[in-house]
Amino acid sequence: KQEVTQIPAALSVPEGENLVLNCSFTDSAIYNLQWFRQDPGKGLTSLLLIQSSQREQTSGRLNASLDKSSGRSTLYIAASQPGDSATYLCAVRHETSGSRLTFGEGTQLTVNP
Amino acid sequence: SAVISQKPSRDICQRGTSLTIQCQVDSQVTMMFWYRQQPGQSLTLIATANQGSEATYESGFVIDKFPISRPNLTFSTLTVSNMSPEDSSIYLCSVVRDRVQETQYFGPGTRLLVL
Repeated sequence: KQEVTQIPAALSVPEGENLVLNCSFTDSAIYNLQWFRQDPGKGLTSLLLIQSSQREQTSGRLNASLDKSSGRSTLYIAASQPGDSATYLCAVRHETSGSRLTFGEGTQLTVNP
Repeated sequence: SAVISQKPSRDICQRGTSLTIQCQVDSQVTMMFWYRQQPGQSLTLIATANQGSEATYESGFVIDKFPISRPNLTFSTLTVSNMSPEDSSIYLCSVVRDRVQETQYFGPGTRLLVL
């Protein structure tokens, strides 16, 4: 059974800092990995999707990397801003699970002005 | 991307009643899903909504409790039946438009409180 773990569970940083969020998964036979953000009381916003054949994806100040063999992904946020405050979730799609996503518990990020 | 709306956005219900949640997408999608997010927890897949046929349920979820309909490629409903306080959660609809890339997009969620 695929398990997804995110470390740290919570993170508080001053504005302008670069930061890294970690995601690990137990079964490396994944089809893709997706990072989301969730604002309080809201749905999920897709940030980045990395296919299993890719090493990284970038969007603006966000960069996500994938090391499939070691079961790890990182989300790098450059020059953090208060508007980045949210819960960040990673989710993996297993090769044989259809389109079902297995989610981590999330990292709650607070960026202080 | 995909623009997804859900109705209602929130509700407070009495024990033993049922609530139907609607999910509407701005254009046709290949796949639709229903997830549950219990307080303080991450998301768990309830079922895949299949167009024109019975939904495919995950372990621990049954059709009698969570009947799902998907009459076309842009609309689905999830009913939470015979509710108890343990059903208090956020219920989210998600869709996949492109079966090659398979990015999943989520609706805003329905916050349900059962008293």
